[in-house]
Amino acid sequence: DTGVSQNPRHKITKRGQNVTFRCDPISEHNRLYWYRQTLGQGPEFLTYFQNEAQLEKSRLLSDRFSAERPKGSFSTLEIQRTEQGDSAMYLCASSLGGRATAYEQYFGPGTRLTVT
Amino acid sequence: AQSVAQPEDQVNVAEGNPLTVKCTYSVSGNPYLFWYVQYPNRGLQFLLKYITGDNLVKGSYGFEAEFNKSQTSFHLKKPSALVSDSALYFCAVRGDTGGFKTIFGAGTRLFVKA
Repeated sequence: DTGVSQNPRHKITKRGQNVTFRCDPISEHNRLYWYRQTLGQGPEFLTYFQNEAQLEKSRLLSDRFSAERPKGSFSTLEIQRTEQGDSAMYLCASSLGGRATAYEQYFGPGTRLTVT
Repeated sequence: AQSVAQPEDQVNVAEGNPLTVKCTYSVSGNPYLFWYVQYPNRGLQFLLKYITGDNLVKGSYGFEAEFNKSQTSFHLKKPSALVSDSALYFCAVRGDTGGFKTIFGAGTRLFVKA
């Protein structure tokens, strides 16, 4: 299967701990997105990478959140000092890139984070 | 500011009847519009998109959507609903100016009754 993969699928952590999630995009996709989705809501944009460059970051992404995409391949999202409000599904998506058009995003299955 | 509104939390339709799931948007510049579907325990899947050109776009599984610039709408339609269409549908928009942030609506749950 050559879709977007995310690991782990589920993570339970205690408040105050740090967690890291990994996303492996579709190999030929140069664009990568992170979203957060809570129950009853649509995906909420967190950050965007084009190749290895993080080009856009939501104001919702506090300084406890950091994302990287070394070498423009897989990406990691780290949350430091987790809070109960961080409990959500974290989605990764990837797409092709182009200036004159917009390509659809392909989503991974998500990582469900529960902070106790 | 960019926004997407899906005014109905749930749409109920009988199998074989036409269905419409509504979406309106607000965006800077020209819109790029998308519909995604989420089945239980599965990730979001792309259905169709409007970038430019013909206002009626066709997508996967017999779905289509009509872009209406004056009403800033992009309603999802299907002539004949199937029970298997029951799922959560999300409308999304990105403007062609500025950044790459895509805004999603809150979703509409479609329930097709046999």
